Amino acid sequence: QKEVEQDPGPLSVPEGAIVSLNCTYSNSAFQYFMWYRQYSRKGPELLMYTYSSGNKEDGRFTAQVDKSSKYISLFIRDSQPSDSATYLCAIEGSGGYQKVTFGIGTKLQVIP
Amino acid sequence: DAGVTQSPTHLIKTRGQQVTLRCSPKSGHDTVSWYQQALGQGPQFIFQYYEEEERQRGNFPDRFSGHQFPNYSSELNVNALLLGDSALYLCASSQGGAGYGYTFGSGTRLTVV
Repeated sequence: QKEVEQDPGPLSVPEGAIVSLNCTYSNSAFQYFMWYRQYSRKGPELLMYTYSSGNKEDGRFTAQVDKSSKYISLFIRDSQPSDSATYLCAIEGSGGYQKVTFGIGTKLQVIP
Repeated sequence: DAGVTQSPTHLIKTRGQQVTLRCSPKSGHDTVSWYQQALGQGPQFIFQYYEEEERQRGNFPDRFSGHQFPNYSSELNVNALLLGDSALYLCASSQGGAGYGYTFGSGTRLTVV
């Protein structure tokens, strides 16, 4: 079993739709949860991070963590063509200085 | 404010050769982590350097080695290249190593033929 499971997609939605991206993880020791966005031919850039169960909102983005189910989600409201990218969930152990484990990434296309 | 700079951007090597990739971290960052990203995959952790020491290592063979210099820049060396080493190599810098503080470079695309 992989430490982090993520559906690779691709996911295609019309502009303005709400997008839901999800990951599951296996190790309950994971404490920090992140979402990165990666455009083609670029390195990943951090979108959101959280370390507790619940929701965290930043503009059109909401990150949700359910530690009891080992399930994390990213919601994108009012999706735009510029949101077309690969979205990577990433998880880190406790205490910092831990390796960050990434999911395979979900490729999202927002169609105008 | 310069972000993370990686060089070269692209590289083609022959199987069995050796390669050195370079990374300059973002200003103010003291920790460098290296990742390998194969096509269609997520980044895989190779190792992390802090205070010129390898602090932790992923599941990569000893053919992969690294170095961090006093100015926090870093090198990734790969010996005896295999076709399977073809990938995008990403450098991420941070202050203290926490993943939520990572800033990634655009990577070096290595092709082994």
